Amino acid sequence: GAGVSQSPRYKVAKRGQDVALRCDPISGHVSLFWYQQALGQGPEFLTYFQNEAQLDKSGLPSDRFFAERPEGSVSTLKIQRTQQEDSAVYLCASIDRGRKKDTQYFGPGTRLTVL
Amino acid sequence: KQEVTQIPAALSVPEGENLVLNCSFTDSAIYNLQWFRQDPGKGLTSLLLIQSSQREQTSGRLNASLDKSSGRSTLYIAASQPGDSATYLCAGAQGGSEKLVFGKGTKLTVNP
Repeated sequence: GAGVSQSPRYKVAKRGQDVALRCDPISGHVSLFWYQQALGQGPEFLTYFQNEAQLDKSGLPSDRFFAERPEGSVSTLKIQRTQQEDSAVYLCASIDRGRKKDTQYFGPGTRLTVL
Repeated sequence: KQEVTQIPAALSVPEGENLVLNCSFTDSAIYNLQWFRQDPGKGLTSLLLIQSSQREQTSGRLNASLDKSSGRSTLYIAASQPGDSATYLCAGAQGGSEKLVFGKGTKLTVNP
């Protein structure tokens, strides 16, 4: 595809449920980022992958959050035992590392609502 | 820890006016400074990227400047149009991963 895609676009979960959010980066982009955006706030960094290696997960808010990118392309962000404070938009972005210090290209996001 | 602040939080202007959005950051050790636009319910669209060695970038009616010594960046929009109404976010790229640290954004409304 031409851009970063994310699915689902909207997810409603009951508190305590597990959810999985998918990101398809731009083909060939080596670096992939996940951000969390609360209502009325700027996005906040969650985690970063270079190919399949998760090099920085310092932004993950708790051990209920887990991300993977097993083949260095598609990435999944999993949230276990969701809580109401997890309600936010989850954004994925990718960079073509061949062009260092390039623009991050963002997907449309997944809006997660935890009831 | 990098902190990014955007002023004002909201701005309403009549169509045709030139305007400036401000962004300040606490850590000058950034790789680049990026400006994004976000429409309601949508993701982020990149507008301009200024490398740490550059002073400004221009694209159409948009001009962004970067002053690392003072920790400031500005986004200048010329001849504003109603279609420019959106939230504008600035972000500094940090560390080896170039992860972005964002401000909270400025919500711009351009009135016809």
